[in-house]
Amino acid sequence: DAKTTQPPSMDCAEGRAANLPCNHSTISGNEYVYWYRQIHSQGPQYIIHGLKNNETNEMASLIITEDRKSSTLILPHATLRDTAVYYCTLMDSSYKLIFGSGTRLLVRP
Amino acid sequence: GAVVSQHPSRVICKSGTSVKIECRSLDFQATTMFWYRQFPKKSLMLMATSNEGSKATYEQGVEKDKFLINHASLTLSTLTVTSAHPEDSSFYICSAGARSSGNTIYFGEGSWLTVV
Repeated sequence: DAKTTQPPSMDCAEGRAANLPCNHSTISGNEYVYWYRQIHSQGPQYIIHGLKNNETNEMASLIITEDRKSSTLILPHATLRDTAVYYCTLMDSSYKLIFGSGTRLLVRP
Repeated sequence: GAVVSQHPSRVICKSGTSVKIECRSLDFQATTMFWYRQFPKKSLMLMATSNEGSKATYEQGVEKDKFLINHASLTLSTLTVTSAHPEDSSFYICSAGARSSGNTIYFGEGSWLTVV
């Protein structure tokens, strides 16, 4: 079973920041937080991952709370092409990724 | 990011036949590959973990004799759906990772299987 919970859907206006929350209250000390997104009929696309520090790359920023029980993915300037299902998942040393239901993000024009 | 490629992207087969799906890591050696299936509007469900040179590890409820997985090299894993039935119709996705890729798992484009 997935160890993460996310809201089923969110929306934001184009050009604004999209903040996608994720709860992982039972996270273990050696588990990383990973974010992927999936556009219809395609394989998931890697976005970002982190262990305990906040991370930023060209796609997004990842904010992990100090107790590591939750995190937020931030798309700083959402575009229509960011409309997708976003998955927050955990990975331990086995490399396994168990996916929950994800958040369906709709970016409005 | 690293590239993982699947082939075929779409396949239609007759009920009772077998179909093979390939997953290749194009620019890195994948010590571990994973196979998922996804039904419409549902999340990805992990089927099995494939380690190069050893037998695959199947998740609970996944029939190993029906979904044969082979990981003969560091760049290729195959999933064979044997004696396919219409209920096996689904979107099959592979992923691959290696410690040299910084603990990141990359996914293939997916393969649509339709059994008629």
